[in-house]
Amino acid sequence: EAGVAQSPRYKIIEKRQSVAFWCNPISGHATLYWYQQILGQGPKLLIQFQNNGVVDDSQLPKDRFSAERLKGVDSTLKIQPAKLEDSAVYLCASSRDRNLLEYFGPGTRLTVL
Amino acid sequence: EDQVTQSPEALRLQEGESSSLNCSYTVSGLRGLFWYRQDPGKGPEFLFTLYSAGEEKEKERLKATLTKKESFLHITAPKPEDSATYLCAVQVYSGGYQKVTFGIGTKLQVIP
Repeated sequence: EAGVAQSPRYKIIEKRQSVAFWCNPISGHATLYWYQQILGQGPKLLIQFQNNGVVDDSQLPKDRFSAERLKGVDSTLKIQPAKLEDSAVYLCASSRDRNLLEYFGPGTRLTVL
Repeated sequence: EDQVTQSPEALRLQEGESSSLNCSYTVSGLRGLFWYRQDPGKGPEFLFTLYSAGEEKEKERLKATLTKKESFLHITAPKPEDSATYLCAVQVYSGGYQKVTFGIGTKLQVIP
């Protein structure tokens, strides 16, 4: 089966600019996650969707980050405006069961200058 | 607050030199513990889930074990292709859904 797809793979922006990331989960997977992984750290959950509803966004900086999952399939994560500390890899993951965390995409590496 | 500590942060082994990676945790109500492998420039690759103390799982040269306070990832006779960062994560339940907290990982280098 095809894996989790993410785009773009790399993005460089100036601080205060906006950026959006896209994720296409594995077909049929109801649960979708966005994680932030800063260099040298483990992934940190930003938001979890079950179908197109938000289950957990407690660690999402809502003043600048937003995410949506239309029709319970693809998802986009947006940062507006970006800060230097947002430089990280943004990972999307999906699972068929809300109690599993098995399939990660390759990530989008964001550099904020 | 859930805490996951992995040690060592980095480990360098000769090919064939067996060793273990440690993941210690402090959580309320552990539901499961995950191990992942992450290669540079890639997302984590799922290896194992452990649910109860005493449980063991194996895959090729890797064996994961779980106690009430920590988990070990044993690597037997490693090869250079085992070089990667190994991440441990703990799973708890919150509001009816899982919450997963990751450690910072152990970067393993296996030298031919």
